Amino acid sequence: GENVEQHPSTLSVQEGDSAVIKCTYSDSASNYFPWYKQELGKGPQLIIDIRSNVGEKKDQRIAVTLNKTAKHFSLHITETQPEDSAVYFCAASINPGYSTLTFGKGTMLLVSP
Amino acid sequence: NAGVTQTPKFQVLKTGQSMTLQCAQDMNHNSMYWYRQDPGMGLRLIYYSASEGTTDKGEVPNGYNVSRLNKREFSLRLESAAPSQTSVYFCASSPGTGGGQPQHFGDGTRLSIL
Repeated sequence: GENVEQHPSTLSVQEGDSAVIKCTYSDSASNYFPWYKQELGKGPQLIIDIRSNVGEKKDQRIAVTLNKTAKHFSLHITETQPEDSAVYFCAASINPGYSTLTFGKGTMLLVSP
Repeated sequence: NAGVTQTPKFQVLKTGQSMTLQCAQDMNHNSMYWYRQDPGMGLRLIYYSASEGTTDKGEVPNGYNVSRLNKREFSLRLESAAPSQTSVYFCASSPGTGGGQPQHFGDGTRLSIL
């Protein structure tokens, strides 16, 4: 089945710096790649997603890039703020019939003022 | 708009007890999911329901059963709880049955089994 690897497991940055989280996937049939943010005591919240027919997608300070050849995708957060501190999960979906996702193990992002 | 609502938020059980975790969504979504989240393991799919009347096993279904009661509600049952089932359980829903549908999560049920 699909395997999703996520790195790094923890990331500490200063406020205003950029943060990059990377994921690789194993199944070349994967076609949908969402990113979730999870704050303490809450459920994961979708922040951005990308499909296999698109190479990059931006939403304000957040961007996701996809390299299908290398089978990896990345989350980029610019001008980080303390409220960006959370656990971030990448995921991949390969099933065109159902929306099941395989998740990475998460990255804890800490943004220091 | 409540989105995905899970009850209870916290629960402590003794080994061997049974329990049903409840989930309801008000977004008219077709598909619903149950995940467990353990430290360092990410989110792992237990069961899902692609549409009302259907359920399928995910990655870690052993020790669990599910019921898709209607389009809004999807419950998860532990028949004989074990300490290994101590975890945070999340319910999610997505709009359709096609691939690539974004999932919306509840805030979880924190379950401890002694």
